[in-house]
Amino acid sequence: DSGVTQTPKHLITATGQRVTLRCSPRSGDLSVYWYQQSLDQGLQFLIQYYNGEERAKGNILERFSAQQFPDLHSELNLSSLELGDSALYFCASSPYSGIKETQYFGPGTRLLVL
Amino acid sequence: ELKVEQNPLFLSMQEGKNYTIYCNYSTTSDRLYWYRQDPGKSLESLFVLLSNGAVKQEGRLMASLDTKARLSTLHITAAVHDLSATYFCAVDLLGETSGSRLTFGEGTQLTVNP
Repeated sequence: DSGVTQTPKHLITATGQRVTLRCSPRSGDLSVYWYQQSLDQGLQFLIQYYNGEERAKGNILERFSAQQFPDLHSELNLSSLELGDSALYFCASSPYSGIKETQYFGPGTRLLVL
Repeated sequence: ELKVEQNPLFLSMQEGKNYTIYCNYSTTSDRLYWYRQDPGKSLESLFVLLSNGAVKQEGRLMASLDTKARLSTLHITAAVHDLSATYFCAVDLLGETSGSRLTFGEGTQLTVNP
């Protein structure tokens, strides 16, 4: 158990809908990262937040957005969902940002878009 | 654009045998990570390699980094069934604002047979 928690574990929804994935980092960690894992694209970095501010951005679609709240938990919002958005979404956390440190991954949210 | 390539992608080996997984990356970096993923599970951090010539060992696994060759290896010694999993290498590049973004290889699916 990495100490990173994600909810929900599973999510089934329909095309065109909007969902919110939630992540709580390890106690004391200021950075939160979001990754998408799919058979087609593999593991892809989406976005990083550090202490409430966006720090790094990857191949995140415009339909997707994220934020980190003052209590450091983060949410990833996915809208206008398409079949291809079905994937495992991981959140990771680390103590700081831009420092050579391990990212600790949560259990993931499995999203199925029908 | 940073590219990270692993080989082999699939590895079936017998218990007691040795083998090496290779991770090549296309852009200079001195931050390389190895993760393990069991089916349907999250990613578990194995090694953090932060300098040229770095070598880390844990049990039957040993990882090394050659930043000049842009190559990392994960060596498995006397494999046992419990090592069956998918192994990912990931390279970290600083974001524009000192963020952190891991770029993952495709993963090597290791199966250790009795």
